[in-house]
Amino acid sequence: GQNIDQPTEMTATEGAIVQINCTYQTSGFNGLFWYQQHAGEAPTFLSYNVLDGLEEKGRFSSFLSRSKGYSYLLLKELQMKDSASYLCAVRHYPNDYKLSFGAGTTVTVRA
Amino acid sequence: ETGVTQTPRHLVMGMTNKKSLKCEQHLGHNAMYWYKQSAKKPLELMFVYSLEERVENNSVPSRFSPECPNSSHLFLHLHTLQPEDSALYLCASSLGAGLKGEQYFGPGTRLTVT
Repeated sequence: GQNIDQPTEMTATEGAIVQINCTYQTSGFNGLFWYQQHAGEAPTFLSYNVLDGLEEKGRFSSFLSRSKGYSYLLLKELQMKDSASYLCAVRHYPNDYKLSFGAGTTVTVRA
Repeated sequence: ETGVTQTPRHLVMGMTNKKSLKCEQHLGHNAMYWYKQSAKKPLELMFVYSLEERVENNSVPSRFSPECPNSSHLFLHLHTLQPEDSALYLCASSLGAGLKGEQYFGPGTRLTVT
């Protein structure tokens, strides 16, 4: 099975940096996704890591350490529109259609 | 616009009713998914269809019955639901599961069972 943990809430100031951690325990791993979900809207894909290291995409970066069962999503130069829930999801192996999600981290950006 | 649409967006039904949720994807994907999202809980995978064949049934009660007539459409038939089934039901699609295979979500149907 999969056990995925992430903090429930985080608050940061506009223009700052926030790091959302995700730890997982898995019987089979085939990649980790981060999704953003604004209140009342669909989750949207942010990033995917399957190898160790940092993937950078504009203001957002995602890091993975498979040996530690650990990932983080880094949000830089925070904007008010970044206020949302951020979901960590682990893809199973060998059933790689199956994603297990964390409960999500609600990030509130304050002026 | 994510390319995945769901209808209805909101649904209120009694425990003895029968209703259906509809999902349509316009992305040319070949896999479709149903998830349940309850407040403060992780998304729960319910069903997965790949090339119109069910490849995952995540121990979902039989009062939920999925149907995938083609790779663009997915239904969730509901009957004799319980109040604890009230949740946001999200549909998603993907182009297989290999490589990245990220899933694209619809806006969801907010279901309330009275």
